[in-house]
Amino acid sequence: DAKTTQPPSMDCAEGRAANLPCNHSTISGNEYVYWYRQIHSQGPQYIIHGLKNNETNEMASLIITEDRKSSTLILPHATLRDTAVYYCIVPDPNRDDKIIFGKGTRLHILP
Amino acid sequence: DAGVIQSPRHEVTEMGQEVTLRCKPISGHDYLFWYRQTMMRGLELLIYFNNNVPIDDSGMPEDRFSAKMPNASFSTLKIQPSEPRDSAVYFCAIGTGSSYEQYFGPGTRLTVT
Repeated sequence: DAKTTQPPSMDCAEGRAANLPCNHSTISGNEYVYWYRQIHSQGPQYIIHGLKNNETNEMASLIITEDRKSSTLILPHATLRDTAVYYCIVPDPNRDDKIIFGKGTRLHILP
Repeated sequence: DAGVIQSPRHEVTEMGQEVTLRCKPISGHDYLFWYRQTMMRGLELLIYFNNNVPIDDSGMPEDRFSAKMPNASFSTLKIQPSEPRDSAVYFCAIGTGSSYEQYFGPGTRLTVT
């Protein structure tokens, strides 16, 4: 997988936007950026993915820089239930069908 | 979690016993994955299937681990004999079309004493 770098932890106040950064400077042209999260005691949950255009769904927005070397996952109005570990993943479509979960960012939503 | 049922949710067994973990995914998926998660090693892919065929089992720790998928609605992960270092949460996940967009089950917490 193209290597991704995320901060180990972040805090965000409840009701504010949570902006989670991810660096993927070695990403190549056909590689997507995927985001998952894992709430305590649950299985990982798919959030969103994108190639080069910004994407939005009911859970979050994904902003990818023009050079595609970094991206930001945005939770527009964070709630306590958004406390989780967030994983940024760039799988290699030319290698195999699997994804590799790194250490992610532990997001704490503060009341 | 709605698309994947795992059983049992918790399993406590003694070292040396056989353990069978079960996964019942909804129909219509192409991929099925087995993962293991521990504090020390994080989330690790053990094996995955495409259309019920095992594709990559390079993550299976050793010969004590085996997995089967006899049909599209059922898969098992077996550990025989079990050891204390196998204690972990085991997740089953499915993918449809894209193997990168996966949906996970609630997991089985295994404790081997």
